[in-house]
Amino acid sequence: AQSVTQLGSHVSVSEGALVLLRCNYSSSVPPYLFWYVQYPNQGLQLLLKYTSAATLVKGINGFEAEFKKSETSFHLTKPSAHMSDAAEYFCAVSAIDNFNKFYFGSGTKLNVKP
Amino acid sequence: NAGVTQTPKFQVLKTGQSMTLQCAQDMNHEYMSWYRQDPGMGLRLIHYSVGAGITDQGEVPNGYNVSRSTTEDFPLRLLSAAPSQTSVYFCASRGLAGTVGGELFFGEGSRLTVL
Repeated sequence: AQSVTQLGSHVSVSEGALVLLRCNYSSSVPPYLFWYVQYPNQGLQLLLKYTSAATLVKGINGFEAEFKKSETSFHLTKPSAHMSDAAEYFCAVSAIDNFNKFYFGSGTKLNVKP
Repeated sequence: NAGVTQTPKFQVLKTGQSMTLQCAQDMNHEYMSWYRQDPGMGLRLIHYSVGAGITDQGEVPNGYNVSRSTTEDFPLRLLSAAPSQTSVYFCASRGLAGTVGGELFFGEGSRLTVL
């Protein structure tokens, strides 16, 4: 079975600082990987996804993530945080041989300080 | 361009009552699913469907029932609500044909409180 670990349930950065949100997965075969963002009282919105093409994936709002097979990681980064980035972020995986099930991490709440 | 629509957005139930959360999508997606979101636990899959007449269990199916009579609709039924079912519920869909690695599209959620 797939599993996803997000290190840090809360991350706080200053406006303009680097954002780094960590995601590690467990799978014998590299899965499909996703990052979603959830603003308060809203559903989840796709930020970016990795589907075995380029290992560096660019998403919306200036976010990007790099797939590292050797580290089983898919960390999310943004060079300069903006106040509007404050939200909860979820990493998710879907097995390439069973994409009927998505597995989500427990989420990381990002706080951006002025 | 409605996408995935969930109703109701808020609901309060008493223990033992039954109710149905509605989900409809207008994207002609074959795959539909229900998740519950609880603090610190991320999203957990309750049930999913890959087409009309086909449903299967996810990680936490107990206490929930689903059916899929049309491509568009995928209702979630709570037969006898319990306080442990207090949660935020999300419906999500995705296309299957030719969409390897396709992402889920989410509704805005239904917040359920069971007293």
